[in-house]
Amino acid sequence: GAGVSQSPSNKVTEKGKDVELRCDPISGHTALYWYRQSLGQGLEFLIYFQGNSAPDKSGLPSDRFSAERTGGSVSTLTIQRTQQEDSAVYLCASSLAGGSLQGYTFGSGTRLTVV
Amino acid sequence: DQQVKQNSPSLSVQEGRISILNCDYTNSMFDYFLWYKKYPAEGPTFLISISSIKDKNEDGRFTVFLNKSAKHLSLHIVPSQPGDSAVYFCAAGSGGSNYKLTFGKGTLLTVNP
Repeated sequence: GAGVSQSPSNKVTEKGKDVELRCDPISGHTALYWYRQSLGQGLEFLIYFQGNSAPDKSGLPSDRFSAERTGGSVSTLTIQRTQQEDSAVYLCASSLAGGSLQGYTFGSGTRLTVV
Repeated sequence: DQQVKQNSPSLSVQEGRISILNCDYTNSMFDYFLWYKKYPAEGPTFLISISSIKDKNEDGRFTVFLNKSAKHLSLHIVPSQPGDSAVYFCAAGSGGSNYKLTFGKGTLLTVNP
């Protein structure tokens, strides 16, 4: 597609439920990133995928968070047993290389609300 | 510990005047810096960047200045236009892990007609 596509755009879930967030990067982009923005905060790095290399998961806040990238394209971020502090906008981005002065292209995000 | 700080949550300027958005950082390992613009309900859009080997980068109405000794950078928009009204995020990265950007909290710029 022309841009980074994320779905759903909004998700309201009950505390304790699992959620899956999806990201379709720009075709041909080998690098894919997940960030999140909590209310009043800057963007927080979560995880980075580059080609077939092992992902950098150093930003995942707890073991309830996991992500995978199938076939080097679509990525899914899964949050298990959601908590209220997980409420945030989850942003996916992609780029041709692993970060550069050109910056990433972000999707519009998934707004997750845990009630 | 906030490594990238945007101390002004908001800024209001008149159309046609200069907008100056500021950003401070604490990590001396950062060696490149980016500015992103974000409209409501959209993802951030890359605006302009600068490497630490430079002290200025210009792209049309947008200029970023870097003062390494002060660990400070600024984004100048001149002339400002109503369409520039958005949240501006400063971000920093380091060469060894240039995929992991650290973002500030953002500054909401309002350009009044």
